[in-house]
Amino acid sequence: ELKVEQNPLFLSMQEGKNYTIYCNYSTTSDRLYWYRQDPGKSLESLFVLLSNGAVKQEGRLMASLDTKARLSTLHITAAVHDLSATYFCAVGPGANNLFFGTGTRLTVIP
Amino acid sequence: EAQVTQNPRYLITVTGKKLTVTCSQNMNHEYMSWYRQDPGLGLRQIYYSMNVEVTDKGDVPEGYKVSRKEKRNFPLILESPSPNQTSLYFCASSPDRGPGYGYTFGSGTRLTVV
Repeated sequence: ELKVEQNPLFLSMQEGKNYTIYCNYSTTSDRLYWYRQDPGKSLESLFVLLSNGAVKQEGRLMASLDTKARLSTLHITAAVHDLSATYFCAVGPGANNLFFGTGTRLTVIP
Repeated sequence: EAQVTQNPRYLITVTGKKLTVTCSQNMNHEYMSWYRQDPGLGLRQIYYSMNVEVTDKGDVPEGYKVSRKEKRNFPLILESPSPNQTSLYFCASSPDRGPGYGYTFGSGTRLTVV
């Protein structure tokens, strides 16, 4: 069974600091997704990573994918309060399903 | 506006009383899917549909039914809800015949079964 593990599960960080969220998965996949979820809200697509070595950046967030290590990272640069949310990675080894990690709840403290 | 619309947003029901959660998308997407979200478990797929009249089970299909009579609609049916189906449900759609470029998610339905 495919497992997707995120670390850490909870992250409290000060504004202005940098941090990285890790996503490990247990089977081969060349597609990885990052989503953001605000409390009580739906999931918003952040990044779609479709090949080994893919790197994408949007504002203070940068995502990368290493398919050989089965690892994706979401790096946060100079965090701001607006980034407080839960972040999910999801892996799509097949055509019909995305397997989600359990999420990382990020709180940015002023 | 391109979107996936779920109704209702909140629902409290009693054990055994049949209910339907509707899902509609206006993007002409072929692929639609239902997920449930539970604390500590992330999102788990219930059912998916590759196209009209084509549906298949996901990881946790027990106790649920779906139908895809029209491309835009993909309702989730609970014939006899039980308390362990209390959860947050999301419908999602994708333009590919699979979530090739990620999903567009609906706003969610919080279901409580008492």
